Amino acid sequence: NAGVTQTPKFRVLKTGQSMTLLCAQDMNHEYMYWYRQDPGMGLRLIHYSVGEGTTAKGEVPDGYNVSRLKKQNFLLGLESAAPSQTSVYFCASSTPVTGGYYGYTFGSGTRLTVV
Amino acid sequence: AQKVTQAQTEISVVEKEDVTLDCVYETRDTTYYLFWYKQPPSGELVFLIRRNSFDEQNEISGRYSWNFQKSTSSFNFTITASQVVDSAVYFCALIPDVPYRGSTLGRLYFGRGTQLTVWP
Repeated sequence: NAGVTQTPKFRVLKTGQSMTLLCAQDMNHEYMYWYRQDPGMGLRLIHYSVGEGTTAKGEVPDGYNVSRLKKQNFLLGLESAAPSQTSVYFCASSTPVTGGYYGYTFGSGTRLTVV
Repeated sequence: AQKVTQAQTEISVVEKEDVTLDCVYETRDTTYYLFWYKQPPSGELVFLIRRNSFDEQNEISGRYSWNFQKSTSSFNFTITASQVVDSAVYFCALIPDVPYRGSTLGRLYFGRGTQLTVWP
């Protein structure tokens, strides 16, 4: 089925370890985003990309890096995980469509625990 | 600045009661989109509705209805005859449509969510 796929779905890390979260979309969307969700905080934007090879910081970028080497993939990296990065991570993609609406699709989320 | 406020952190109702979830938004843009998402205990985000700023018609879909009022910058969501399966976190969100310097194309600005619990 077309959509946004996140890998992995669950992960436990030790403080200081590194990991990469993968987001893949097959809808040819230009824009991709990484959000994190924390209790009582809603979803907050970490980084985003408006096209292949371009990335930019969102609202809470510290401690994360991203890359978009291919249009369909958007990687989120944690170089040295900290307990404060325990969260649920959502990837999303979008594109402007006729009428001005941004067609928007979310992945199913990655639950990350840093101990 | 873009901002979405959901003042109700938690709401508890008994099954079959009606419940309204409040959403107030702030934006400088004249064109924008408003959304409601549901997040059940399983964790995924379920899209419920999208409304653009030029369409102030209220909408009803089964037990769900939405009241969009630009005059008060509100986009409230009502569940009629609530059911246990409606228990979830509900998010209101905003996309400003007009790109301007410093904006993020297509970024969703989320409220903090309202936890709705429906008791049998």
